[in-house]
Amino acid sequence: SQTIHQWPATLVQPVGSPLSLECTVEGTSNPNLYWYRQAAGRGLQLLFYSVGIGQISSEVPQNLSASRPQDRQFILSSKKLLLSDSGFYLCAGTLPTGRGYEQYFGPGTRLTVT
Amino acid sequence: QKEVEQNSGPLSVPEGAIASLNCTYSDRGSQSFFWYRQYSGKSPELIMFIYSNGDKEDGRFTAQLNKASQYVSLLIRDSQPSDSATYLCAVIGAGKSTFGDGTTLTVKP
Repeated sequence: SQTIHQWPATLVQPVGSPLSLECTVEGTSNPNLYWYRQAAGRGLQLLFYSVGIGQISSEVPQNLSASRPQDRQFILSSKKLLLSDSGFYLCAGTLPTGRGYEQYFGPGTRLTVT
Repeated sequence: QKEVEQNSGPLSVPEGAIASLNCTYSDRGSQSFFWYRQYSGKSPELIMFIYSNGDKEDGRFTAQLNKASQYVSLLIRDSQPSDSATYLCAVIGAGKSTFGDGTTLTVKP
């Protein structure tokens, strides 16, 4: 079974500072990878998804970017954080099975921008 | 209209009762449907998935899918206080996934 790793678990950053969150996947190859953000008490907002190395689709306009330098590595970045970037960031990987797709989540990074 | 809509909560049931969670989706071409459980402060945990019309049972959980009505539900039998969480409905296909906003369930002892 696949395992999704994320770090750090928590992060406090000042406004205007850069950001880099990393996600790695074990136990599968060629996964579809996703970055979500969840504000307190809200649902999941899809930020980016990737179907392969170097292939990134952005779902919402924002000051965030994503990159996929390796098959099992997905990075979320920002050059200058905003207060509104605070939230719970979740990486997910989807493994295609014979019946469809199954998506699993990493433990998440709780980001507070001060 | 949202792509995936869940019944508004919160939902409260007594211990031992059946909890019923509902979800509708707008894309008729959707193929894969998932239910996640999320405890406060934690990441979502996959608890059920269903691809074909009908019912799928796993322990105390039953997922029901009706593609003609674009409706998917989750039943939790013999609800326990540990089932208290937010339940997320998701529709996942090739390269794309869409989640509902979630329904918060409280099971009272």
